[in-house]
Amino acid sequence: SQTIHQWPATLVQPVGSPLSLECTVEGTSNPNLYWYRQAAGRGLQLLFYSVGIGQISSEVPQNLSASRPQDRQFILSSKKLLLSDSGFYLCAWSRPVRTPLTEAFFGQGTRLTVV
Amino acid sequence: KQEVTQIPAALSVPEGENLVLNCSFTDSAIYNLQWFRQDPGKGLTSLLLIQSSQREQTSGRLNASLDKSSGRSTLYIAASQPGDSATYLCAPEDNYGQNFVFGPGTRLSVLP
Repeated sequence: SQTIHQWPATLVQPVGSPLSLECTVEGTSNPNLYWYRQAAGRGLQLLFYSVGIGQISSEVPQNLSASRPQDRQFILSSKKLLLSDSGFYLCAWSRPVRTPLTEAFFGQGTRLTVV
Repeated sequence: KQEVTQIPAALSVPEGENLVLNCSFTDSAIYNLQWFRQDPGKGLTSLLLIQSSQREQTSGRLNASLDKSSGRSTLYIAASQPGDSATYLCAPEDNYGQNFVFGPGTRLSVLP
């Protein structure tokens, strides 16, 4: 069976510090991978998605970046955090494009507070 | 650009009621539509996936319908229970099978 791991669960970082959130998927190959952000009282906003190693698409311009160094690893990074980066970050995976059931599965999220 | 709305934004009902949650989307060229549940401070749990060729999908007390041409999906919850209290999100997937666009959610509270 497939599982998705996301860590850390909570993080408090000072403004201007770097960020690295990691997400790994087990039990599947060549998944689509996603990073979403959920700000307080707002819906989920797609930040990045990836259909393969080294292939990253950005949906929203910001000071965040994403990388996919391995097939089932997706990393969200920032060189200098802003207060506005606070939020709930969710990683997700789905089966490759054009497979019949591209159901999305989510990790448990990382609560980031920038102080 | 796909836009998704959900009505109502919040709902509070006594235990045992049958519920209807509505989702509307502006671009009918979708690949699938998925309903999720999110408990406070937690990730999303997939409830139902409806493929674009399907009209409805059922899982236990949940039934989701899809009217792709009119850009609507409805989630029915039968005999609601306090454990159903959560935020319910719908997410149509674009026709490339790559991106999910989420609605703002319906926050459900089922009172014992």
